[in-house]
Amino acid sequence: KQEVTQIPAALSVPEGENLVLNCSFTDSAIYNLQWFRQDPGKGLTSLLLIQSSQREQTSGRLNASLDKSSGRSTLYIAASQPGDSATYLCAVSGAQKLVFGQGTRLTINP
Amino acid sequence: GAGVSQTPSNKVTEKGKYVELRCDPISGHTALYWYRQSLGQGPEFLIYFQGTGAADDSGLPNDRFFAVRPEGSVSTLKIQRTERGDSAVYLCASSGLAGAGWGELFFGEGSRLTVL
Repeated sequence: KQEVTQIPAALSVPEGENLVLNCSFTDSAIYNLQWFRQDPGKGLTSLLLIQSSQREQTSGRLNASLDKSSGRSTLYIAASQPGDSATYLCAVSGAQKLVFGQGTRLTINP
Repeated sequence: GAGVSQTPSNKVTEKGKYVELRCDPISGHTALYWYRQSLGQGPEFLIYFQGTGAADDSGLPNDRFFAVRPEGSVSTLKIQRTERGDSAVYLCASSGLAGAGWGELFFGEGSRLTVL
């Protein structure tokens, strides 16, 4: 059974810092990995999708990497802003469904 | 529609009552998913539809939970004899490709269910 772990559970940093969120998964036989953002009381917004054959994806200040063999992914956020404050969720997919981690609650302090 | 739409956004009910939650996916999306998210946790898979049929219902916790998608578009999640432990946010997602392994999932805002 696939299990996804995200560390840390919560992170608070000053505005402007670069930061890394970590995701690990137990079964390396995945099809893809997605990073989502969730604001309080809201649904999930997809940030980046990495196919299993890819090593990384970039979107603006966000960069996600995937090391399938070691079961790890990182989400790098450059020059953090208060608007980046949210919960970030990592999810890995088999053929049919996504399995989520518990998320990292990120707070960017002005 | 422009995005995945879920109704109601909030539902408060009493223990033992019956509840229906509706999901209207992105137009043309054939794959539809239901997830449940408890406070402080990641979403947990409930059921996946490809077209009208449930391709994987292994996440439904017990036989009080049932979901349908009769015309391959709108889906309804039905919960019988609700219990306090059913309180959670129920999230729906759709994808234009068959299976989460092939494409991006788009989520709705969720239906928050509170069972008193």
